[in-house]
Amino acid sequence: DIQMTQSPSSLSASVGDRVTITCRASQSIGDSLNWYQQNPGKAPKLLIYHASSLQSGVPSRFSGGGSGTDFTLTISNLQPEDFATFYCQQSHKSPPWTFGQGTKVEI
Amino acid sequence: EVQLVESGGGLVKPGESLRLSCAASGFMFSTYTMNWVRQAPGKGLEWVSSIGPGGSYTYYAESLKGRFTISRDNAKNSLYLQMNNLRVEDTAIYYCARVQQYTNGYLSDYWGQGSLVTVSS
Repeated sequence: DIQMTQSPSSLSASVGDRVTITCRASQSIGDSLNWYQQNPGKAPKLLIYHASSLQSGVPSRFSGGGSGTDFTLTISNLQPEDFATFYCQQSHKSPPWTFGQGTKVEI
Repeated sequence: EVQLVESGGGLVKPGESLRLSCAASGFMFSTYTMNWVRQAPGKGLEWVSSIGPGGSYTYYAESLKGRFTISRDNAKNSLYLQMNNLRVEDTAIYYCARVQQYTNGYLSDYWGQGSLVTVSS
């Protein structure tokens, strides 16, 4: 199975900051990479798919990049509602479609 | 409006069984692959299982093979997860999610609110 490793596991930031989260795959997955946001007590929400495509309705301060094994999620101008946990997920070919362990963005 | 509503969770003892259901509405259920994803208390997301639109192909996390069975009834717009021989480590919130395919990959664009399964003696 493909393993996904996120870094950091947590980070502290302030409103208005720019933050970057990294996700690394154990083998090349092309651009088959999704990012999800999960607020406490809520279901995950799709932010980015195809490594860099913004899901409809997601603010443009979220952006994704990378291909192969290394990917990033960047949040510009951090807003109060962005303090949450973020997960990457690979969806290369057939399942299992594994998630990273998550990155918690804290105030 | 797309809606996914899970049900069937609860408290069971180790070794017992439980069947989760996910009622879908607001989209053509029979044309979508569906996922189950779980989250243990305080832990991250774990992909559990997927089923194709017609139910002809299914996939499972290796650690769950033989104990969990995914199925669907397209006439009832419903997804199921039969969980047998439950273990304490299966305690989690179980989410159903709709899957869409894009070039070279798949995404989950709609998720249910989750159903809590607690396995404890």
